[in-house]
Amino acid sequence: DAEITQSPRHKITETGRQVTLACHQTWNHNNMFWYRQDLGHGLRLIHYSYGVHDTNKGEVSDGYSVSRSNTEDLPLTLESAASSQTSVYFCASAGQGSYNEQFFGPGTRLTVL
Amino acid sequence: AQSVTQLDSHVSVSEGTPVLLRCNYSSSYSPSLFWYVQHPNKGLQLLLKYTSAATLVKGINGFEAEFKKSETSFHLTKPSAHMSDAAEYFCVVPDNYGQNFVFGPGTRLSVLP
Repeated sequence: DAEITQSPRHKITETGRQVTLACHQTWNHNNMFWYRQDLGHGLRLIHYSYGVHDTNKGEVSDGYSVSRSNTEDLPLTLESAASSQTSVYFCASAGQGSYNEQFFGPGTRLTVL
Repeated sequence: AQSVTQLDSHVSVSEGTPVLLRCNYSSSYSPSLFWYVQHPNKGLQLLLKYTSAATLVKGINGFEAEFKKSETSFHLTKPSAHMSDAAEYFCVVPDNYGQNFVFGPGTRLSVLP
């Protein structure tokens, strides 16, 4: 069965370190998304991609970057982790078109000390 | 721009009683609409989606929602709540371009024994 996976599931890091969160989907979806979820803020879009070599900034992109070298993967990098980036991160993928729902990964809980 | 309002941040019901979670959207056209559920420490799972085929949409776990264009609403209902329904529920609409998604703030459903 097709799926979307995230790794690691939990990560503790220190302020200033570079961190990369992995997202891998086997749906063959062109569209992929990264969100963060914090109490009181719901889900906020960080970055998204509509296909290989395409990346776009979302509403909370500062301090984050993504790259898309193939259809299956969209890794999220925190260039220099900050305590404000402590959050739960969700990756999602979707087919093209407004009738296609998103499929979500299980999430990565990141703690920046 | 598309937007979604979930009128209740928290709804509490007794087991066996009906559930109503409210969602209103703003759109200049009849969009597709989605309801997702998120159980504690889990990713988001699609409950149901409206894609203009039928105004009453049935989803998983006995949930259903009715699209009412005149009221710009897409309320989620279930005739009889179960303890396992306790979760966060999100109403979602595609953005104007149909490629990204606009999330409501979520409604937390508590089910009392």
